[in-house]
Amino acid sequence: DAGVTQSPTHLIKTRGQQVTLRCSPKSGHDTVSWYQQALGQGPQFIFQYYEEEERQRGNFPDRFSGHQFPNYSSELNVNALLLGDSALYLCASSLPRGRVNTEAFFGQGTRLTVV
Amino acid sequence: KQEVTQIPAALSVPEGENLVLNCSFTDSAIYNLQWFRQDPGKGLTSLLLIQSSQREQTSGRLNASLDKSSGRSTLYIAASQPGDSATYLCAVTSSSNTGKLIFGQGTTLQVKP
Repeated sequence: DAGVTQSPTHLIKTRGQQVTLRCSPKSGHDTVSWYQQALGQGPQFIFQYYEEEERQRGNFPDRFSGHQFPNYSSELNVNALLLGDSALYLCASSLPRGRVNTEAFFGQGTRLTVV
Repeated sequence: KQEVTQIPAALSVPEGENLVLNCSFTDSAIYNLQWFRQDPGKGLTSLLLIQSSQREQTSGRLNASLDKSSGRSTLYIAASQPGDSATYLCAVTSSSNTGKLIFGQGTTLQVKP
């Protein structure tokens, strides 16, 4: 059973550029959430997608956007990159609220470095 | 606003010791609490999930307890091994908003041979 997979694993971008990160959820999961983890900090919630719509959003600017596809995979897009966007970006998949088990499973992350 | 705190931030113990990691949260209205392990530069591995109606969960040498009324959870690791060295994160989802996990900053554990 494939777990949550993310691509790419590492990425270096220049300030002002745009980046797209990808995530495939665990088999059977239809809800995808994205988190940003700065060095030495706990992950911070960016947003969550379910049924191809953004259901919730954390305190992140509009430069952060996303998409979910019919096969439940998801993309995170960040425009006009800032040095402060350098972080580990984590994707988590789960079943939506109301299901018996809402345990979240995470991918290995994408390390984004903005120079 | 829910806040999650983990103390201590770092811990170093000799191999074989039993140890306890602490997690506290400010709002007791949680849906569940999850403990994760994170190796340096890697993603999160789910260790244990405790539903709000449960008091504890066990997996191998790990035991997690939950006391909602006091806003606390502990992760007990028995007979620690060098392979247990990692950062341990706890996260809660609120009853009113189960869409996101709210994380503590983690406890970095080093188990010395």
